Amino acid sequence: QKEVEQDPGPLSVPEGAIVSLNCTYSNSAFQYFMWYRQYSRKGPELLMYTYSSGNKEDGRFTAQVDKSSKYISLFIRDSQPSDSATYLCAMSVNTNAGKSTFGDGTTLTVKP
Amino acid sequence: GAVVSQHPSWVICKSGTSVKIECRSLDFQATTMFWYRQFPKQSLMLMATSNEGSKATYEQGVEKDKFLINHASLTLSTLTVTSAHPEDSSFYICSASPWGTGRPEAFFGQGTRLTVV
Repeated sequence: QKEVEQDPGPLSVPEGAIVSLNCTYSNSAFQYFMWYRQYSRKGPELLMYTYSSGNKEDGRFTAQVDKSSKYISLFIRDSQPSDSATYLCAMSVNTNAGKSTFGDGTTLTVKP
Repeated sequence: GAVVSQHPSWVICKSGTSVKIECRSLDFQATTMFWYRQFPKQSLMLMATSNEGSKATYEQGVEKDKFLINHASLTLSTLTVTSAHPEDSSFYICSASPWGTGRPEAFFGQGTRLTVV
């Protein structure tokens, strides 16, 4: 069983929809939870990160972490075609980002 | 955010030849850089940790003699795929993090698409 599980999708939504992306994990030592966006043939870029449990909002993006359930989510409001990409969750025990454990990524398509 | 530049973005080489990929941190110093491999529709697999001025640390199952890593300066790490074979064809990505921010931010290069024919 993988340490981090992420539904690969693909996920297709109409423009303006609310998107929910999720990951589950098994390692209770994870303290930092990140979401990366990766466009085709490009390296990932960090969208946001959360420390421990709780919510964090940045514009149209909201990250949620529930450590008791070992479940994290990324919500995208008012989705745009430019949001079409693969979204990777990642988790780490400390701030050593290079040692993060990544999910397989969810491919999202937002249709105009 | 910080910028990590990776070159080349794509390369095609003949089987048996070697290919060098460069990873540069443009606006910060990185004592540690990381090299990943990504297969289609799969996640990033950490191959090795590149340490400035010392030997790289390889993940289990990664052949260190095949994937040579050199981290000669605080802004440059190179990955050389030696005696490349078609099964080495993949997307290789590096990352680096500015030291001391207290944040788990990894900045990734653009990636290199290697095709071995």
